[in-house]
Amino acid sequence: DVKVTQSSRYLVKRTGEKVFLECVQDMDHENMFWYRQDPGLGLRLIYFSYDVKMKEKGDIPEGYSVSREKKERFSLILESASTNQTSMYLCASSSPEGRHQPQHFGDGTRLSIL
Amino acid sequence: AQKVTQAQTEISVVEKEDVTLDCVYETRDTTYYLFWYKQPPSGELVFLIRRNSFDEQNEISGRYSWNFQKSTSSFNFTITASQVVDSAVYFCALSEAGGYQKVTFGIGTKLQVIP
Repeated sequence: DVKVTQSSRYLVKRTGEKVFLECVQDMDHENMFWYRQDPGLGLRLIYFSYDVKMKEKGDIPEGYSVSREKKERFSLILESASTNQTSMYLCASSSPEGRHQPQHFGDGTRLSIL
Repeated sequence: AQKVTQAQTEISVVEKEDVTLDCVYETRDTTYYLFWYKQPPSGELVFLIRRNSFDEQNEISGRYSWNFQKSTSSFNFTITASQVVDSAVYFCALSEAGGYQKVTFGIGTKLQVIP
């Protein structure tokens, strides 16, 4: 069965800290995505990656960066956490471009910035 | 730019009632894909269905059915004889044919099925 694993279910950090959210998939998918989910706003794409070391900005990349050093792992980095980055973060993966396969999601990380 | 509208933010129904979740989309592409996902309280989004723009046949899977109408740019989802386990947030999503499978999600409809 396919599996996307996010490193933490709940995380509490302080303003100004550098925060790492990790995501690992075991499906050998090329595409990986980071979203944040906020009430009334749905899912908004932060960054996505279609291959190792490749990344593309999504709709709301400001304040975030990503790293994809290995195919199975996609990390989201909050360079200097701020309270407005308190949110639910969802990682997803999918098989390659052109087939528009459904995305497989992790359980999410609920991040609180104090 | 593509857009997905789910006008119903929250719906409550009594168990065994039928319920329809609306989804209206906007796109300039002639080739695109539509999806529905379910997010139960546990948090993980679960894929339910994918439909491409050339396939307007309605689909039924058990108590779930989907009505795709290009003329009204709608892709509605009906649950027949709802059950408490159907309580979740449901997302409609749109992916255009080009690009790297960037998907636009609606804001979601929270369905509560009351026993």
